[in-house]
Amino acid sequence: GDSVTQMEGPVTLSEEACLTINCTYTATGYPSLFWYVQYPGEGLQLLLKATKADDKGSNKGFEATYRKETTSFHLEKGSVQVSDSAVYFCALRGQAGTALIFGKGTTLSVSS
Amino acid sequence: EAGVVQSPRYKIIEKKQPVAFWCNPISGHNTLYWYRQNLGQGPELLIRYENEEAVDDSQLPKDRFSAERLKGVDSTLKIQPAELGDSAVYLCASSLVADGSYEQYFGPGTRLTVT
Repeated sequence: GDSVTQMEGPVTLSEEACLTINCTYTATGYPSLFWYVQYPGEGLQLLLKATKADDKGSNKGFEATYRKETTSFHLEKGSVQVSDSAVYFCALRGQAGTALIFGKGTTLSVSS
Repeated sequence: EAGVVQSPRYKIIEKKQPVAFWCNPISGHNTLYWYRQNLGQGPELLIRYENEEAVDDSQLPKDRFSAERLKGVDSTLKIQPAELGDSAVYLCASSLVADGSYEQYFGPGTRLTVT
């Protein structure tokens, strides 16, 4: 079945450092790909998405490119802030239905 | 616009007791989802509703879990009896399928602790 694998955390960075969180997927067909973020004490929020190959999703300085040839959707940010500290989830939605399939999440901690 | 509302936010019960969670989706959203998120894991779908019809309940443990969505709006998820392994965060999400995006909006979740 469809699945998502993302790098394990925690990831600890200093403010203004570069961030990459790896995400790869296994799916039949052409899934849509998502990054969700969960800030402490809050619900899941959609960060960005891409619906077809080579699409780049971006939001709040974060970017991810849908790479079909490598089945990847890595999350990147050039300069992280303390306020980016959160848990990040990679997810896919297959063509057949609308339920999201999530990775296990990666905790990011940014210190000043 | 109000987001997805869930209650209670926290619940502690003893094993074998019943428990219920309530979800009010975003107004006008016809699709409603219940997910369970175990500690250190991503959310996993329990059940999906299209209006009042459960269209995907293959992952719902039907021996102890039940759900309903009367009138295609609010939904209730029930566990009876609860087991220790049911301790998790129960998330409700909703989406408007008609706009083609299927973007899901999540509520804050109910954290269940079974002792």
